[in-house]
Amino acid sequence: EDQVTQSPEALRLQEGESSSLNCSYTVSGLRGLFWYRQDPGKGPEFLFTLYSAGEEKEKERLKATLTKKESFLHITAPKPEDSATYLCAVASGGSYIPTFGRGTSLIVHP
Amino acid sequence: DGGITQSPKYLFRKEGQNVTLSCEQNLNHDAMYWYRQDPGQGLRLIYYSQIVNDFQKGDIAEGYSVSREKKESFPLTVTSAQKNPTAFYLCASSGPTGTEAFFGQGTRLTVV
Repeated sequence: EDQVTQSPEALRLQEGESSSLNCSYTVSGLRGLFWYRQDPGKGPEFLFTLYSAGEEKEKERLKATLTKKESFLHITAPKPEDSATYLCAVASGGSYIPTFGRGTSLIVHP
Repeated sequence: DGGITQSPKYLFRKEGQNVTLSCEQNLNHDAMYWYRQDPGQGLRLIYYSQIVNDFQKGDIAEGYSVSREKKESFPLTVTSAQKNPTAFYLCASSGPTGTEAFFGQGTRLTVV
């Protein structure tokens, strides 16, 4: 059974204070690891897909990295508009269905 | 524009009633999913479908039913047997295995 654990559950940052969110996973043959952003009352918005250890992807202030056991979402010089819940999910060889972590709630104070 | 459309955005249900949530996609995706989201619980899988006329129960299927008569459509019925239906419901679809899922904007169901 695939498992995804995200930490921390909540994170408060000052504007400009860089940090990282963690996603640890246990799967049977990783097919893809996904990061999403979710704003209150809305559906998750797709950010990145990572397929193999060592892969990195960037979008504006966000950078996602992947190892064989975990993924990090690095946020550089965050702004208040980056405040949201960030979800991590995996798809594996055992099941094509994405398994989600519980998310990290990020608040960036001005 | 390609995407997933859920309707309605808000839905109120009386005790004992069945209600149906709509989910339509024009992404030509084979796989579709229904998730339920409660505060602090993350996304929990209700039902999923990989092809037309076939669907499987997820982790919390009791009290729910689905159909997949068309590739584009995957409606979810919340029946009176669902004891605690108040939640935020999300529909998603995905392409080939290992590719990302895309979500609709959700339906918030409230029992009154």
